[in-house]
Amino acid sequence: DADVTQTPRNRITKTGKRIMLECSQTKGHDRMYWYRQDPGLGLRLIYYSFDVKDINKGEISDGYSVSRQAQAKFSLSLESAIPNQTALYFCATSDSRGGGTEAFFGQGTRLTVV
Amino acid sequence: GQSLEQPSEVTAVEGAIVQINCTYQTSGFYGLSWYQQHDGGAPTFLSYNALDGLEETGRFSSFLSRSDSYGYLLLQELQMKDSASYFCAVCSNDYKLSFGAGTTVTVRA
Repeated sequence: DADVTQTPRNRITKTGKRIMLECSQTKGHDRMYWYRQDPGLGLRLIYYSFDVKDINKGEISDGYSVSRQAQAKFSLSLESAIPNQTALYFCATSDSRGGGTEAFFGQGTRLTVV
Repeated sequence: GQSLEQPSEVTAVEGAIVQINCTYQTSGFYGLSWYQQHDGGAPTFLSYNALDGLEETGRFSSFLSRSDSYGYLLLQELQMKDSASYFCAVCSNDYKLSFGAGTTVTVRA
């Protein structure tokens, strides 16, 4: 089983719908991140969390919200999906006890908004 | 905020050496990391530099110059399986991890 699991792996949704992407990890890491990847733009940080009570906005948080339900779970929501949110989304974790400098990524969720 | 610059594409033949440069601007710099990604799969960690100098891990080496806000990833003895995208990433002193746009490396036979 993967250490960082994202569900769903693929999703097609309609404009205006609410959608949640889920991430769970078995690595025992305290830090979790959500990124989106678009061709030619690399990985852009949406939100990050350093523990259950700590949530921080990244570069492109508008239109997104997150919930850290437990140390192992970090969900990303699109309250009202729009087509330019079509992208590949990655969840990642890191461990502050190890310096937090190495991130471990899930397999990604490919989201299409039509 | 952070900004990182790296070349968009590099092509080389098997057995060659490739250097991918990365320049960055950031407040609160902590270290520079490198990640590899194959065909939209999960990025995987390659190396990390917090101090100036060269870190060697097998065929891959990474270099950092903090005074120049510059680093590079050196891929030696290129193999076909090294065809992938490579990202530099800045770790800031609040442990936020910000990525560059990536360099696509194509290895030709």
